[in-house]
Amino acid sequence: GENVEQHPSTLSVQEGDSAVIKCTYSDSASNYFPWYKQELGKRPQLIIDIRSNVGEKKDQRIAVTLNKTAKHFSLHITETQPEDSAVYFCAASMGGFKTIFGAGTRLFVKA
Amino acid sequence: SAVISQKPSRDICQRGTSLTIQCQVDSQVTMMFWYRQQPGQSLTLIATANQGSEATYESGFVIDKFPISRPNLTFSTLTVSNMSPEDSSIYLCSVTGEIWGGSYNEQFFGPGTRLTVL
Repeated sequence: GENVEQHPSTLSVQEGDSAVIKCTYSDSASNYFPWYKQELGKRPQLIIDIRSNVGEKKDQRIAVTLNKTAKHFSLHITETQPEDSAVYFCAASMGGFKTIFGAGTRLFVKA
Repeated sequence: SAVISQKPSRDICQRGTSLTIQCQVDSQVTMMFWYRQQPGQSLTLIATANQGSEATYESGFVIDKFPISRPNLTFSTLTVSNMSPEDSSIYLCSVTGEIWGGSYNEQFFGPGTRLTVL
């Protein structure tokens, strides 16, 4: 079955710097890759996603890249702000079915 | 916009008992899923709740322990049976995103049920 690995487990950056979180997946049939942000005590929130027919997608300060050949995808957050502090999860699925989540990255943005 | 709600929001239960968690969506959705999130951990898919038929369970989860119902396109229940302290976790339902103008791929989560088993 699908396996998603996520790195780093913890990331600390200075406000205004960029943050990058990387994930790899194992099942070449996976074609949908969402990213979720989870603040303490709250539900995971979908922040951006990418499909396998696209290499890059951007939404304001957030971008995601996908390398299907290497089975890598990454989340890039630019100009980080304290409110970006949260746990971020990558995930992989086949058309939304059997979504498998990475272990999560705890991002700290220091003011 | 559509709302996903879960009941109860939290509960403290004695070992050996069962708890049924409800997930309600105020619009019809194609797919509903149940996840478990243990403290400080990631999300693990328990099962896909199928409308009008038996749920599809992931490896490591069985119907006797986690019976699921989905009588219609807006409602599902997850029961945690014969509980032990290891079942202490947050249980979340999720639904596909077409009702918010998104695609069937996208999943949105309910607020979760925090379960503590003593």
